[in-house]
Amino acid sequence: AQSVAQPEDQVNVAEGNPLTVKCTYSVSGNPYLFWYVQYPNRGLQFLLKYITGDNLVKGSYGFEAEFNKSQTSFHLKKPSALVSDSALYFCAVRETSGGYQKVTFGTGTKLQVIP
Amino acid sequence: GAGVSQTPSNKVTEKGKYVELRCDPISGHTALYWYRQSLGQGPEFLIYFQGTGAADDSGLPNDRFFAVRPEGSVSTLKIQRTERGDSAVYLCASSLRTARDSPLHFGNGTRLTVT
Repeated sequence: AQSVAQPEDQVNVAEGNPLTVKCTYSVSGNPYLFWYVQYPNRGLQFLLKYITGDNLVKGSYGFEAEFNKSQTSFHLKKPSALVSDSALYFCAVRETSGGYQKVTFGTGTKLQVIP
Repeated sequence: GAGVSQTPSNKVTEKGKYVELRCDPISGHTALYWYRQSLGQGPEFLIYFQGTGAADDSGLPNDRFFAVRPEGSVSTLKIQRTERGDSAVYLCASSLRTARDSPLHFGNGTRLTVT
């Protein structure tokens, strides 16, 4: 069964500093990996995805993520954090084997950017 | 264009009652997902529709939960004999196709409170 782990419940970072939100995954085949963001009282919004190709993928709002197959990780990064980036971030994985379409989410990491 | 619409946004019901939660996906999206999110947790998969049929209902917790999508568009999640443990935010998502790289587009959710 596929799974996703987000080891940090909360990440605090000063405005202007780089941020990293960690994610590791487990699948039996090749993974399709996603990051979503959730603002208070809102639904999840898609940020970026890794399918194949370059290990560094770029997404919305200046976010990027680095895929590392040997470490089974897909960490979310941003060079310079904004206060408006404060939100809940979810990593998700969709397995590519067979016709299985279920998308599995991690437990989420709360990002707090301090002015 | 319009996003995924979920109604009602909030639902309070008494233990033992029946509830229906509605999801109106983005027009043309063939895949539709229901997730449940409890406080401090990531979205938990419930059921996935491809067109009118439930392709994977392995996440439904028990036979009190049922979902339909009779015309391949709007979906209704039905919960019988509600229990306090059913209290959560129920999220609906749709995607343009079933290709594994398609991101999910989420609604704002229905917050269900069972008293």
